[in-house]
Amino acid sequence: GAVVSQHPSWVICKSGTSVKIECRSLDFQATTMFWYRQFPKQSLMLMATSNEGSKATYEQGVEKDKFLINHASLTLSTLTVTSAHPEDSSFYICSARPFGLAGGYNEQFFGPGTRLTVL
Amino acid sequence: GEDVEQSLFLSVREGDSSVINCTYTDSSSTYLYWYKQEPGAGLQLLTYIFSNMDMKQDQRLTVLLNKKDKHLSLRIADTQTGDSAIYFCAERNSGYSTLTFGKGTMLLVSP
Repeated sequence: GAVVSQHPSWVICKSGTSVKIECRSLDFQATTMFWYRQFPKQSLMLMATSNEGSKATYEQGVEKDKFLINHASLTLSTLTVTSAHPEDSSFYICSARPFGLAGGYNEQFFGPGTRLTVL
Repeated sequence: GEDVEQSLFLSVREGDSSVINCTYTDSSSTYLYWYKQEPGAGLQLLTYIFSNMDMKQDQRLTVLLNKKDKHLSLRIADTQTGDSAIYFCAERNSGYSTLTFGKGTMLLVSP
């Protein structure tokens, strides 16, 4: 099946610093990528939808200036957590929808996630 | 907005059947999904069902959908220790390409 990778798999940073997380589709092109965050024992909450070559669409309550998303190519989207604080500590998961797979059951392939801990 | 609810924990013995239940509120859901998440990993799509179907079977997995009651279930036959994971129910609204997830059910399979 289609593979999505994330880098890094975990990161620890100091409060006030910025952290960039990469999401790559390894064997397919993805016009749309999604970013989720997951708190312990909680569900995945969609943060934003990222479309290649255009601005990301953020969900209500998600600060676009704090969570910067760039979808520069059909295989790469990045999420930058700016001026991170301890409350931003979470598990960040991306998913990618293969190019041309619109409609139907709308398969999304998920990355393994990035564990962010802000001290 | 949409809401998806699941029980949080299920414990079964190896070889037994497991049934994980899910309820949702959005009557316009088109597709409903079951994902599996193993520790420290992303989500793996197990199966999905279109909203005009009542049942779907795929090897050891059986999905039942009661659209009237907005109830979805996943039955795993002959549960194995490797099935231990968190199982997420998710739904997709007809008008959107995004998914709404439940909180996940942790399935623990003991030998």
